[in-house]
Amino acid sequence: EAGVAQSPRYKIIEKRQSVAFWCNPISGHATLYWYQQILGQGPKLLIQFQNNGVVDDSQLPKDRFSAERLKGVDSTLKIQPAKLEDSAVYLCASRGSSGNTIYFGEGSWLTVV
Amino acid sequence: SQKIEQNSEALNIQEGKTATLTCNYTNYSPAYLQWYRQDPGRGPVFLLLIRENEKEKRKERLKVTFDTTLKQSLFHITASQPADSATYLCAFPRGGSYIPTFGRGTSLIVHP
Repeated sequence: EAGVAQSPRYKIIEKRQSVAFWCNPISGHATLYWYQQILGQGPKLLIQFQNNGVVDDSQLPKDRFSAERLKGVDSTLKIQPAKLEDSAVYLCASRGSSGNTIYFGEGSWLTVV
Repeated sequence: SQKIEQNSEALNIQEGKTATLTCNYTNYSPAYLQWYRQDPGRGPVFLLLIRENEKEKRKERLKVTFDTTLKQSLFHITASQPADSATYLCAFPRGGSYIPTFGRGTSLIVHP
């Protein structure tokens, strides 16, 4: 079974530029999460999707971050404009309909300079 | 608000010894708690889940305990190996959801 795929793995941008990250969850997983992990900290939830609907985006900085999952499969997380404090790993994860284990991708590393 | 606390200092132990990592939580009574392993540059990988009515759970060399009175979970690795070196994260579901809230993780370093 293929795992959660994310791209790009690494991105360096200047502040005020924009960036987009892509995620393809495990086949059949209806629930998709985006987490932000700053160095030395645990992952922090940004947004949760159930199919193509948003379940929780209470911690998403909506003035600069946006995410979509239009067809209920893959998802895109965008940051525009980026700030220095957005430097982090952006982790995508998915969960199937049964069980409460979530599966993470390898993450997309963002450095804002 | 719900808080989950893990020791930020790295745990250094000798190969063959038992590693014990601690996770404390406040302002919440989770129905279950999970432990994940995270290697540098990789995403977290699920290891074990323990429910509130379970005192202990084992998987090979791993053992997790859950004390709802102390609001604490302990994660043990017996006969530790250098390959066990990683960051270990604990997490519990937020509210009544399946959304894991993570601690900051504790780094384990096993010396040969």
